[in-house]
Amino acid sequence: SAVISQKPSRDICQRGTSLTIQCQVDSQVTMMFWYRQQPGQSLTLIATANQGSEATYESGFVIDKFPISRPNLTFSTLTVSNMSPEDSSIYLCSVDTGSTDTQYFGPGTRLTVL
Amino acid sequence: AQSVTQLGSHVSVSEGALVLLRCNYSSSVPPYLFWYVQYPNQGLQLLLKYTSAATLVKGINGFEAEFKKSETSFHLTKPSAHMSDAAEYFCAVSPGNTGFQKLVFGTGTRLLVSP
Repeated sequence: SAVISQKPSRDICQRGTSLTIQCQVDSQVTMMFWYRQQPGQSLTLIATANQGSEATYESGFVIDKFPISRPNLTFSTLTVSNMSPEDSSIYLCSVDTGSTDTQYFGPGTRLTVL
Repeated sequence: AQSVTQLGSHVSVSEGALVLLRCNYSSSVPPYLFWYVQYPNQGLQLLLKYTSAATLVKGINGFEAEFKKSETSFHLTKPSAHMSDAAEYFCAVSPGNTGFQKLVFGTGTRLLVSP
């Protein structure tokens, strides 16, 4: 398995601002994923982040709104840009260790936009 | 393409009763299937997974699930519910054996356990 931490754990932000969420893993992993969980909803994949390449975004998500960095094999950031109340969600990162066919999830970042 | 249907957004059981959470999947290739649990204000924890080995899969906390290809189902069961099992449960599917686990989640089932 993998131990994953996220910062911040929660935040309250004003509309029009941006927030960068950090995801740190305790081991090197090839693939990292960012999900959004809107209130009372299931998880939706935002993008896949591989080290050394551009993130791959799912339909409905764009780089200008959700820029992602993946500077090394243990760290990634997701920025939620120009926020609106509709961005209020839990944002979770996950990793695929590549050896167990399983994704492990971080604790999530609970974002509220006023 | 893959999809998952979880029947019942809420399931209520009494402590000690059987837990049955339903999951049906659709997949154009042999799937991998997962159950995750989310406790309040926490991230997702893997309960169990099916990756084309044994069709009856045992997980943590006494849960198990059976992969039934003919029924395209992967229902989650536990013989005796405990108060601590109250949580949100998510079924997920991915295209198996591709080296890239893009998960598609169901809408979740909230398990309520009463004394």
